[in-house]
Amino acid sequence: GESVGLHLPTLSVQEGDNSIINCAYSNSASDYFIWYKQESGKGPQFIIDIRSNMDKRQGQRVTVLLNKTVKHLSLQIAATQPGDSAVYFCAERDDYKLSFGAGTTVTVRA
Amino acid sequence: DGGITQSPKYLFRKEGQNVTLSCEQNLNHDAMYWYRQDPGQGLRLIYYSQIVNDFQKGDIAEGYSVSREKKESFPLTVTSAQKNPTAFYLCASSQLSGANVLTFGAGSRLTVL
Repeated sequence: GESVGLHLPTLSVQEGDNSIINCAYSNSASDYFIWYKQESGKGPQFIIDIRSNMDKRQGQRVTVLLNKTVKHLSLQIAATQPGDSAVYFCAERDDYKLSFGAGTTVTVRA
Repeated sequence: DGGITQSPKYLFRKEGQNVTLSCEQNLNHDAMYWYRQDPGQGLRLIYYSQIVNDFQKGDIAEGYSVSREKKESFPLTVTSAQKNPTAFYLCASSQLSGANVLTFGAGSRLTVL
């Protein structure tokens, strides 16, 4: 079965607010974690990644936090925009294989 | 433009027919992957290949077959043995060194009538 999952299947956010998308994983051997964004009818696109020896990594408007103690990963999007509406997947890597969670659908309200 | 090209984007087939989905990449990536996506679910790995003329089964390989005769190409055949083939199929590629970030194609939506 899947070793990666997300806490909530949907998230509705007011435009301009910050979004927090959560993900739980169970494989302690995973050495690398990635967040992908998938827009309707398209393939997933890479957003940001983090290695297992890090706790936090920041990109442009996005931050990924990794808590290995509780096996939890989160993606924070600052000042959410309409273009951020999509399905967000977390993925974990173990031996060059990626396992994906079910995804969180983010809807941005104007 | 470097990237991954999947074709066709939409495909309709009758039950019992084999279909082949094309995946070509010009990123010079060593590894290629096929994932299946069903509504409201994550991506499930069908097959992957790390080198030409070699490939491994993923989590849901039954009813599917692949080949890797060229580094650039990794076609997926959905056979009549696949019980529920209607789905969105995603091809991806990656380098084997470093972060191994997957680059995905735009997907192929297969509908079996």
